[in-house]
Amino acid sequence: NAGVMQNPRHLVRRRGQEARLRCSPMKGHSHVYWYRQLPEEGLKFMVYLQKENIIDESGMPKERFSAEFPKEGPSILRIQQVVRGDSAAYFCASSPAGGNEQFFGPGTRLTVL
Amino acid sequence: GQQLNQSPQSMFIQEGEDVSMNCTSSSIFNTWLWYKQDPGEGPVLLIALYKAGELTSNGRLTAQFGITRKDSFLNISASIPSDVGIYFCAGRTLGTGTASKLTFGTGTRLQVTL
Repeated sequence: NAGVMQNPRHLVRRRGQEARLRCSPMKGHSHVYWYRQLPEEGLKFMVYLQKENIIDESGMPKERFSAEFPKEGPSILRIQQVVRGDSAAYFCASSPAGGNEQFFGPGTRLTVL
Repeated sequence: GQQLNQSPQSMFIQEGEDVSMNCTSSSIFNTWLWYKQDPGEGPVLLIALYKAGELTSNGRLTAQFGITRKDSFLNISASIPSDVGIYFCAGRTLGTGTASKLTFGTGTRLQVTL
């Protein structure tokens, strides 16, 4: 049973470009969460999605960031017009419906030059 | 917003020693989770706690859910070199929807010397 998959593992973008991060949840999990981690810090919640629905986006910056979890395919976290401050590790977690435990993927490390 | 403070921030111990770390919150949680993160990897779930006062073990790890529901403790017995990493506590409130997100602590960095 494969765990949470994220790709790419590393992503380099220049300022102003777009970054797309992908997350495939564990088999049987229908809930996806995105978190951001800056160096030497804990993870900060960004957004919680179920299939085709955004449930909680209270941690998402108001501009440039968006997330989706379509009926088919992975969840996508999209950052438009990236800036240096967007450089961080972005983690995706998944859980089954009604589950209290969240299981994390290996993360995507975004570097903005 | 909710804040979780972990202590100590870092610790250096000798192989074979026991380790204790704790996590305190400014508000109540209904679920406490403990994760370990190795460099360049995602957090791995170690222990989950669901009831106030609950004491749960996973091998050499033991965690407790504080009675006030505002704190949790993690103990590692007889540490070994592969215990090196950063340990995070995370709290979750009861319910679904916006209550499903995890609030993470600041982390405890553990280093084990031979």
